[in-house]
Amino acid sequence: SQQGEEDPQALSIQEGENATMNCSYKTSINNLQWYRQNSGRGLVHLILIRSNEREKHSGRLRVTLDTSKKSSSLLITASRAADTASYFCATDPLNRDDKIIFGKGTRLHILP
Amino acid sequence: GAVVSQHPSWVICKSGTSVKIECRSLDFQATTMFWYRQFPKQSLMLMATSNEGSKATYEQGVEKDKFLINHASLTLSTLTVTSAHPEDSSFYICSARARQGATWNEQFFGPGTRLTVL
Repeated sequence: SQQGEEDPQALSIQEGENATMNCSYKTSINNLQWYRQNSGRGLVHLILIRSNEREKHSGRLRVTLDTSKKSSSLLITASRAADTASYFCATDPLNRDDKIIFGKGTRLHILP
Repeated sequence: GAVVSQHPSWVICKSGTSVKIECRSLDFQATTMFWYRQFPKQSLMLMATSNEGSKATYEQGVEKDKFLINHASLTLSTLTVTSAHPEDSSFYICSARARQGATWNEQFFGPGTRLTVL
């Protein structure tokens, strides 16, 4: 399977702390994207990092990509209650008919 | 970013009936559209890929006669769940992307349709 895998599967932290989620994948990619999904809702695109990029920032989000290890991390700094959601990484494989493959997701819960 | 819409956002139907879900790209021409299914607390699983004007390509284990996909134009794809049963209850999400020359643009996702089969 080319599906990405996030870890941890679930994460609970106190509001204000930083949250780090990791994603590993198996094949070469064009890019890797992170999405957020609130319970029962659609996907919200957070950030896209291309295979030739190593780090990208967007507000409180920081994404890293290590293509040699086939892994990526998503860091959310100064977490807020509104960050409670599921987070998915999605890999756009280099050689698979242009399909984006999703990981299993990390369920993040921010404690007040 | 580009907008992809889905209609309806939720639907409840009786077992045995058919349900059609529409996916539209509102401000770009989507060369390819994808349909995903998501069960509670699980990730999105790709069901099929459809290219405008051609037959959809289904992933292994997805019944093409049960999940009919039509991609008749560059802005519209439909998924019809035929003879729906309670086990088809799920969150269905479409996505769309355009191709510019040899490059694929970013994939944009719709808000999803929640199907409940009674």
